[in-house]
Amino acid sequence: GENVEQHPSTLSVQEGDSAVIKCTYSDSASNYFPWYKQELGKRPQLIIDIRSNVGEKKDQRIAVTLNKTAKHFSLHITETQPEDSAVYFCAASIGSYIPTFGRGTSLIVHP
Amino acid sequence: NAGVTQTPKFQVLKTGQSMTLQCAQDMNHEYMSWYRQDPGMGLRLIHYSVGAGITDQGEVPNGYNVSRSTTEDFPLRLLSAAPSQTSVYFCASSYSAGDEQYFGPGTRLTVT
Repeated sequence: GENVEQHPSTLSVQEGDSAVIKCTYSDSASNYFPWYKQELGKRPQLIIDIRSNVGEKKDQRIAVTLNKTAKHFSLHITETQPEDSAVYFCAASIGSYIPTFGRGTSLIVHP
Repeated sequence: NAGVTQTPKFQVLKTGQSMTLQCAQDMNHEYMSWYRQDPGMGLRLIHYSVGAGITDQGEVPNGYNVSRSTTEDFPLRLLSAAPSQTSVYFCASSYSAGDEQYFGPGTRLTVT
């Protein structure tokens, strides 16, 4: 099955800095790559996703890039704010299979 | 729309007891899944369903059973609870595998 590795496990930044979280996947047939944000005590919620026919997607301060050749994708958050503090999960799925999740990155934004 | 609902929110069981975690969605989604979340382990898939009457195992299915008799409901049964099943359990649904998953609020289960 698919295997997703996510790094780093913890990321600490100052408010206003950029944050980058990286994920790699094992199956070149994966074609859907969502990112979820989970605030403390809450449920995971989708923040952005990308499909294999697109190299980059942006939504205000967040962006995701996909490198199919290297089988990795990244989440970029610019101008970080304290409310960005949360656990972020990447995932990858192939066709009709349920996505496989990475282990998560705890992002801490210091005011 | 209520989205994805889960009951109970908290549960304490003794080793060997059985129980059912309830999950329901009102979005007419075909895909439903159960995950467990443990510190540092991410979201691990227990069982999933691609439609009423169809279920399959995920990464960590041992000790759990599921059934899908209707599109709306996807209960998770713990057959004989063990301390290793102490975790937070999330149910999720989606229109298809390649679409946004909507998660329920979670059930925090402690097995003593």
